[in-house]
Amino acid sequence: DVKVTQSSRYLVKRTGEKVFLECVQDMDHENMFWYRQDPGLGLRLIYFSYDVKMKEKGDIPEGYSVSREKKERFSLILESASTNQTSMYLCASSSHRWGANEETQYFGPGTRLLVL
Amino acid sequence: AQSVTQLGSHVSVSEGALVLLRCNYSSSVPPYLFWYVQYPNQGLQLLLKYTSAATLVKGINGFEAEFKKSETSFHLTKPSAHMSDAAEYFCAVSGGYGNKLVFGAGTILRVKS
Repeated sequence: DVKVTQSSRYLVKRTGEKVFLECVQDMDHENMFWYRQDPGLGLRLIYFSYDVKMKEKGDIPEGYSVSREKKERFSLILESASTNQTSMYLCASSSHRWGANEETQYFGPGTRLLVL
Repeated sequence: AQSVTQLGSHVSVSEGALVLLRCNYSSSVPPYLFWYVQYPNQGLQLLLKYTSAATLVKGINGFEAEFKKSETSFHLTKPSAHMSDAAEYFCAVSGGYGNKLVFGAGTILRVKS
């Protein structure tokens, strides 16, 4: 079974803090993704990575950065957290570089972030 | 560009009744289509996916979906709803670069006893 784990289920931070969200997958997947989920908006892609040290902007990258130093780990960084970044953050992974686009994405349990 | 529209942010059915969740997509390339389910306080789990092998796709927990190119639809159905089906359901399309998914806004399914 594919397992995608996220470092925290719930997180409370203050405005202006630097926030790290960690994601680890155990299936040797090439592709990893970070989404945020907001009611009525579904999931929106923040960043994705198809290889170590590679990253690509998604649809809403502003205010975020990412790091992928090892194949199994993909980190999302909020450089200076703001209240409008309060959301649920979901990490996912899938196999095959460049995406055979039918590949299933496997999701972690999510991190619910509250920025005060 | 790709997009997904899920009609109805909330759907309520009685236990034992037919479940129908609607999804329409837009894609400039042949699409791959997915339905995911999210139970409370959990991540997303794949229900089924269309990869052009067959237009009627069967998934887990008795769900199925039919790809209709002429209608650009991929509606999700289940003949008989169970209380455990109460969850949020997301339709998604893939077909662009890098296995990226574009999600619909989601439909919350409520099952009444």
